[in-house]
Amino acid sequence: SQQGEEDPQALSIQEGENATMNCSYKTSINNLQWYRQNSGRGLVHLILIRSNEREKHSGRLRVTLDTSKKSSSLLITASRAADTASYFCATDDTDKLIFGTGTRLQVFP
Amino acid sequence: DGGITQSPKYLFRKEGQNVTLSCEQNLNHDAMYWYRQDPGQGLRLIYYSQIVNDFQKGDIAEGYSVSREKKESFPLTVTSAQKNPTAFYLCASTNPGSSGANVLTFGAGSRLTVL
Repeated sequence: SQQGEEDPQALSIQEGENATMNCSYKTSINNLQWYRQNSGRGLVHLILIRSNEREKHSGRLRVTLDTSKKSSSLLITASRAADTASYFCATDDTDKLIFGTGTRLQVFP
Repeated sequence: DGGITQSPKYLFRKEGQNVTLSCEQNLNHDAMYWYRQDPGQGLRLIYYSQIVNDFQKGDIAEGYSVSREKKESFPLTVTSAQKNPTAFYLCASTNPGSSGANVLTFGAGSRLTVL
């Protein structure tokens, strides 16, 4: 079962622009995480937001969480070519994580 | 450096053969996970283990088997019963509850191709 669904599926922007990707999930959660995956590599944890938080920042990353709408967004500001990757949200399901379908971000120099 | 090592990185298999993917971690993590990723898709959970000598099926366990004889190791066997085994396999680990959340550390993945 996949808990989260990201949109858009793919996003292409120019360097310096902001990138926003959204995640919707189905059931109540304790926390939501975002991960990044470079092509052909493993995933890397970016940021975690708890269900009692509405917004969290880490460097150029800003994550919001709206539990009433069961949705989260990841904003990458001032994007760089090195941000090109797939981004996944993940929600906790007792003792495991359920991943969304991912957004493929392409940043052109 | 602590981390998770998956091997082999690339593996080719003939139909009807079993293959075993290795996953070793030196992070002293209790929980380990195997995910499957198909092109352009998200991750689907195959098996996971919260403690040595115990493991649970995930969403797509059919055609796969695992063992957890040591804390550091969680090998995945792709059996001939798996109908469509060509995929990218990812191993991950965590210490549940250390931060109140399951933040996973991933290996670099193993790409299996059935010829």
